Amino acid sequence: DAGVIQSPRHEVTEMGQEVTLRCKPISGHNSLFWYRQTMMRGLELLIYFNNNVPIDDSGMPEDRFSAKMPNASFSTLKIQPSEPRDSAVYFCASSRDRDRQPQHFGDGTRLSIL
Amino acid sequence: QQQVKQSPQSLIVQKGGISIINCAYENTAFDYFPWYQQFPGKGPALLIAIRPDVSEKKEGRFTISFNKSAKQFSLHIMDSQPGDSATYFCAARNTGGFKTIFGAGTRLFVKA
Repeated sequence: DAGVIQSPRHEVTEMGQEVTLRCKPISGHNSLFWYRQTMMRGLELLIYFNNNVPIDDSGMPEDRFSAKMPNASFSTLKIQPSEPRDSAVYFCASSRDRDRQPQHFGDGTRLSIL
Repeated sequence: QQQVKQSPQSLIVQKGGISIINCAYENTAFDYFPWYQQFPGKGPALLIAIRPDVSEKKEGRFTISFNKSAKQFSLHIMDSQPGDSATYFCAARNTGGFKTIFGAGTRLFVKA
């Protein structure tokens, strides 16, 4: 039973570059969450999808951030252009519709912007 | 704004002892209070959760105590083991919604 799969696990890139983070939720889960974790701000919800539709993106910090969910088995979080302050661990989580909270998290992508 | 305040930041407990982590919330419009456990290099994992109409929930060695009038809830880990060493997050979900707000986390270390 595969869990939430995120790629890449680590990403190091230079400021100004485009970064794309990927997530495959658990099959049958129709709620998907993107979170960001930093020492200063803890775990923050960036965006929530339900049935592939973005329901709330109020946590997305700036227009430089965008997220898509083209189908039930794939989501991306893109940062363009990236800045050093975007350095964090980004988590994707999924759940069944009835649960409405992040049930299963992936292992995250550790992003470092130089 | 931090709506869920968690304490302590870190905790050291002897093997076999009881670990206690406390959380307080300000917003009364929460309907679900989960706890997550996170090991280094891993994502948080849902550990146990409680709804506000229940004062206590127990699952194995883990117990949540909930005090609705005081707007406080706590996690007790009985017979703590070195394998319990991890970071624990309390959280609260807004009523009828999907936004789960996390506490700042407690780093637990259980000494063998």
